[in-house]
Amino acid sequence: EVQLMESGGGLVQPGGSLRLSCAASGFTFNTYWMHWVRQAPGKGLVWVSRISSDGSSTTYADSVKGRFTTSRDNAENTLYLQMNSLRGEDTAVYYCTRGRYCTSGSCFSNDWFDPWGQGTLVTVSS
Amino acid sequence: DIVMTQFPDSLAVSLGERATINCKASQSVLSTSNNKNFLAWYQQKPGQPPKLLIFWASTRESGVPDRFSGSGSETDFTLTINNLQAEDVALYYCQQYYSTLQYSFGQGTKLEIK
Repeated sequence: EVQLMESGGGLVQPGGSLRLSCAASGFTFNTYWMHWVRQAPGKGLVWVSRISSDGSSTTYADSVKGRFTTSRDNAENTLYLQMNSLRGEDTAVYYCTRGRYCTSGSCFSNDWFDPWGQGTLVTVSS
Repeated sequence: DIVMTQFPDSLAVSLGERATINCKASQSVLSTSNNKNFLAWYQQKPGQPPKLLIFWASTRESGVPDRFSGSGSETDFTLTINNLQAEDVALYYCQQYYSTLQYSFGQGTKLEIK
């Protein structure tokens, strides 16, 4: 069964840092792009970042660029989100989710998000 | 950036009736390379993560009931739920994956039973 499980959320003060993890299982982790998506309380889904299958390429939403860093450890089947200089507006449930499939140096354009983890709550407050 | 706008923000439909949710993209998400629309629909029930319903604008994900269907092209898309069931109460989001530099979701549509 394909599974994603986030961890590392919690309460952090404004200006602080937090590192989220996403453990993947049930699929060949190093052949998929991975994404982070967040959802503020009572609000909609907002894409945060994505990382290529080999970790060589990352892209970020403008709202987190320069503050957040996405990385992955393909040997450990784990995705990370390092969040620095946190602000109140970063308060949200953070989901990891799987994107496009890549093989033999080529990637397919199946970049919809499936599956999703259960999410981990990050609260930025003093 | 591609802005996705859904309407209505909420709707109430009677059991057994049809629900229609619309999604408009600020620019075309139709790829000329494969003639596919890079548009997905998700369902999110309270306290749960989103669930993929439809991709390529009209292809139903495995296991999704056939009362869910997607249509549209370029900038205008529709999610239709026929024969509405109580378990369909949820938030529904459209998402474009045409721009791999900035993915984006619609603001969501809340579906309730009338």
